[in-house]
Amino acid sequence: GNSVTQMEGPVTLSEEAFLTINCTYTATGYPSLFWYVQYPGEGLQLLLKATKADDKGSNKGFEATYRKETTSFHLEKGSVQVSDSAVYFCALASGYSTLTFGKGTMLLVSP
Amino acid sequence: DTGVSQNPRHKITKRGQNVTFRCDPISEHNRLYWYRQTLGQGPEFLTYFQNEAQLEKSRLLSDRFSAERPKGSFSTLEIQRTEQGDSAMYLCASSLGTGVTDTEAFFGQGTRLTVV
Repeated sequence: GNSVTQMEGPVTLSEEAFLTINCTYTATGYPSLFWYVQYPGEGLQLLLKATKADDKGSNKGFEATYRKETTSFHLEKGSVQVSDSAVYFCALASGYSTLTFGKGTMLLVSP
Repeated sequence: DTGVSQNPRHKITKRGQNVTFRCDPISEHNRLYWYRQTLGQGPEFLTYFQNEAQLEKSRLLSDRFSAERPKGSFSTLEIQRTEQGDSAMYLCASSLGTGVTDTEAFFGQGTRLTVV
């Protein structure tokens, strides 16, 4: 079956630091890959997505590249801000876009 | 459009009681999904509708769980004879899809259920 593994948190960074959150997946076929973000007190929001191998998704300074050879979709940002503090979920979709999520990684950014 | 709306936001119930949650999707979206999220975990898929048809329900956690989407608009998720293990956040999402392609899924803020 499908599964997503992402690094455990919390990830604690100072403002302007470089961020990497690792995500690997197991899936049949050719899934689409997503990063969702959940800010405190809010619902899940799509941050970025990639639908085929070597695609790079990007949004708000975050980016992730769909690596089929390593079955990975790591999230990166060059310079984090306090406002990026949230829980980040890696997910994949196959078959009518039902999503399989990782456990989530909490990011805490201090000034 | 105000997005996906879920009611109530919070529900506390006694063990053994039945509860029902409502989800109003984005108006033009034909697909609707229910997920459950427990503490420290990612959302777990429960069931899925395309219009009024429930196309996937094998992932519902037990026969105490049921969902409906009459007329292909809002949806309800019912849990009968609640147990403490049912305590979780129940999330609804909707999307616009044709065939196997979809727009992104938009999530509601969820209903937090506490069974005491």
